Amino acid sequence: AQSVTQPDIHITVSEGASLELRCNYSYGATPYLFWYVQSPGQGLQLLLKYFSGDTLVQGIKGFEAEFKRSQSSFNLRKPSVHWSDAAEYFCAVVLGSGGGADGLTFGKGTHLIIQP
Amino acid sequence: KAGVTQTPRYLIKTRGQQVTLSCSPISGHRSVSWYQQTPGQGLQFLFEYFSETQRNKGNFPGRFSGRQFSNSRSEMNVSTLELGDSALYLCASSLSGGRNGYTFGSGTRLTVV
Repeated sequence: AQSVTQPDIHITVSEGASLELRCNYSYGATPYLFWYVQSPGQGLQLLLKYFSGDTLVQGIKGFEAEFKRSQSSFNLRKPSVHWSDAAEYFCAVVLGSGGGADGLTFGKGTHLIIQP
Repeated sequence: KAGVTQTPRYLIKTRGQQVTLSCSPISGHRSVSWYQQTPGQGLQFLFEYFSETQRNKGNFPGRFSGRQFSNSRSEMNVSTLELGDSALYLCASSLSGGRNGYTFGSGTRLTVV
């Protein structure tokens, strides 16, 4: 079965500094990969997704992610964080069958704290 | 266009009772999936429905069930509630799942006392 690992439970970054959140997946073929963000008490908002093609994916709110097949990674980056980026970030994978019957498998999440 | 709507937002139930949660997907979306979020277990897949048929189910006991109606609206039911069922239940809709991606609702916060 596929799995997703987010090694960092908490990350603290100063406002204006760059950010990288790590995500590793375990799956034989190329999966469909997603990053979601969740503010306290809210649902999940899709930041970006990767299916195929260009390995550098641009998302909303200035985020980007790079798919690296050799490292089974899909790390999320932002060049300069804002205080409003403080939230929980989830990496997720779905089997690449296209049929969509398997739902999303999520990592445990990374809690991002922004220091002023 | 309207997003995914989940009702109610908050719910308090007593152990042993049953509960029904509702989800209205984005117009045109035929896939609805449900997730349970708890601090200990994180986000876990419950089940997915497409065109009124359950396509897949996560590793949850039979007390958790769901259904989808012809208008794609979905309900999930939890019978014989346990304290451990306290969680945020999230619904996600998609055109057909998979590579189409999923749009989530704001969730229903269930507290079992």
